[in-house]
Amino acid sequence: DVKVTQSSRYLVKRTGEKVFLECVQDMDHENMFWYRQDPGLGLRLIYFSYDVKMKEKGDIPEGYSVSREKKERFSLILESASTNQTSMYLCASGSYGAGAYNEQFFGPGTRLTVL
Amino acid sequence: QKEVEQNSGPLSVPEGAIASLNCTYSDRVSQSFFWYRQYSGKSPELIMSIYSNGDKEDGRFTAQLNKASQYVSLLIRDSQPSDSATYLCAVILRGGYNKLIFGAGTRLAVHP
Repeated sequence: DVKVTQSSRYLVKRTGEKVFLECVQDMDHENMFWYRQDPGLGLRLIYFSYDVKMKEKGDIPEGYSVSREKKERFSLILESASTNQTSMYLCASGSYGAGAYNEQFFGPGTRLTVL
Repeated sequence: QKEVEQNSGPLSVPEGAIASLNCTYSDRVSQSFFWYRQYSGKSPELIMSIYSNGDKEDGRFTAQLNKASQYVSLLIRDSQPSDSATYLCAVILRGGYNKLIFGAGTRLAVHP
């Protein structure tokens, strides 16, 4: 079974703090994704990575950065946390290529509260 | 027009009935379609994927795809209260990197 883990289930930070969210997958997937999910707004893609050290902006990258130094690990960084970044953060991973049919699997999520 | 559209619900069905969830998408070239189940406070869980026209069955779940009409549906037979959740339809649009576009989700409530 695919396993995607995230560093924290719940996190409380203060405005202005630098926040690191980490995600690890054990299936040797090329692609990894960070989403946030808010009531009424659904799932929104923040950033994704299709290879080590490669990244692409998603739909809402402002205020975030990412790092992928190893294939299995994808980090989301909030440079200076703000209250409007209070949300559920979801990491996903998936393979790339016709043979694997491109399924994406999610980690358990991190509920971040910025005070 | 949204790229992936679903009725938000709630869809309420009695236990043992068939629940029918629908999804339409805008990109005629889309090739990959997925259904995720999400319980309140939890992350989405992949339950079905479908790539060609027709039906695909897995246990009590059947996914149906009609590319000409640009819709995909999920049928849940013998619905149970434990099926009560939000069901997200997701589509990979044309282009690279397999970005999933999600619908807003349909909330299903199965009552005893």
